[in-house]
Order: sequence, then structure tokens, then C-alpha cells
Amino acid sequence: ETGVTQTPRHLVMGMTNKKSLKCEQHLGHNAMYWYKQSAKKPLELMFVYSLEERVENNSVPSRFSPECPNSSHLFLHLHTLQPEDSALYLCASSQGNIDSGNTIYFGEGSWLTVV
Amino acid sequence: QKEVEQNSGPLSVPEGAIASLNCTYSDRVSQSFFWYRQYSGKSPELIMSIYSNGDKEDGRFTAQLNKASQYVSLLIRDSQPSDSATYLCAVAGTYKYIFGTGTRLKVLA
Repeated sequence: ETGVTQTPRHLVMGMTNKKSLKCEQHLGHNAMYWYKQSAKKPLELMFVYSLEERVENNSVPSRFSPECPNSSHLFLHLHTLQPEDSALYLCASSQGNIDSGNTIYFGEGSWLTVV
Repeated sequence: QKEVEQNSGPLSVPEGAIASLNCTYSDRVSQSFFWYRQYSGKSPELIMSIYSNGDKEDGRFTAQLNKASQYVSLLIRDSQPSDSATYLCAVAGTYKYIFGTGTRLKVLA
């Protein structure tokens, strides 16, 4: 139990579906992240929110749409995905800037399969 | 050149031996370095963080950092089968970590 909770843990969706991934952190942190982990690839940063404002978007396709309504919740809205988007999606949070030495804590991830 | 490089393995060591995991990085201004362990099907969990040159010990784990050579390593003493996992090296930049692909460690009973 890391204090970062993700739902659903597993999701299968068709290419025309719309679904959302949810993340909630109970650590009092002020930054939240979405990472994508595909087989044989390093963890890829998708989005960063600090104090509920998006501070980084690593050229992620528009079929992924993040939403951060407050510092404890983060969503990833999914629309018309492709099979290559099948991966483990990890939410994480931290207190302040990572380059100040603050650690990020990961949720358990949401396994997404696009069929 | 990849920003953070790790040998993907698998690295196989017998139970009780020392496992040595290595990582090199390209950004000379990086200041914070982390090792995460990831069991199959699970999310990464933090093992060690290191910020200064030299060694940092925590139980059976020792992290080593050499900023001049741009490498960071993790030693696991008295390796146990439960240490079998993928070990991810991460280097911190503003608001993000850059991860390596991870080294898969197998500890043989």
C-alpha cells in the first residue's frame, strides 16, 4: 500500500470506446504523474501536474486526455485508442520538485488492453 | 545515446552472493538518483535514493554514485530468491524521472 490508489486495475476496451483511469493519492502530495510502461521499453512520462496545473505533456497523442480536478485526484480519459496503446499505466505522486530530491510514489497501475 | 542505460539482463546470481546492478546516465547536471524494484505484474517500489558521490548503505542494499563517470550502481548482499525482480534506475530532472529499461535479476536457490 503506497498511498496511491488506481482504478480500475484491469481494463479491456475496444478502439471506439471511451473510458477513464482514475488515480487518488492519500499522501498530501502536490504533484501527480501519469507514466506508461510497455514491454521492453523504459517507463515513459506522459503528463505531470503540479498544484493542479499541467506542467509537462510529453507529446502524448490527443486520444489521451488528463484531468486533475484537485491535488488528490488525477484522471486519464481514453478515447479511440489503438492496440499499441495496450500497456501498464502508472500514476505517481510527489511532494514538490523531483529534482530537489523528492521521491515519487507509484500506484499499483492499471493494465489496459485495447482490442 | 539513451538518457539512462541499463543492461537488461537477466543477471543470474546464486543465493547468498552479491548482485551488482549498474546504470549510466547522460545528463551531467543530474543531482538525484533512485533505484526502484519491480516485481512482475506489480508497480515499481523505491529501494534507495542517492544524491552525493560515494556509497550509501541500507540493510543489504548499497547504492554507489560517481558523478564524474556518470554512473550509479546498486549492490545487493546476501541475495535471496525474493530479490528476483527487475531493478529500475531513475535519474531526476525537473518534475520528472528518466528511467532506464531495467535489469532483470534472478537469484537462484
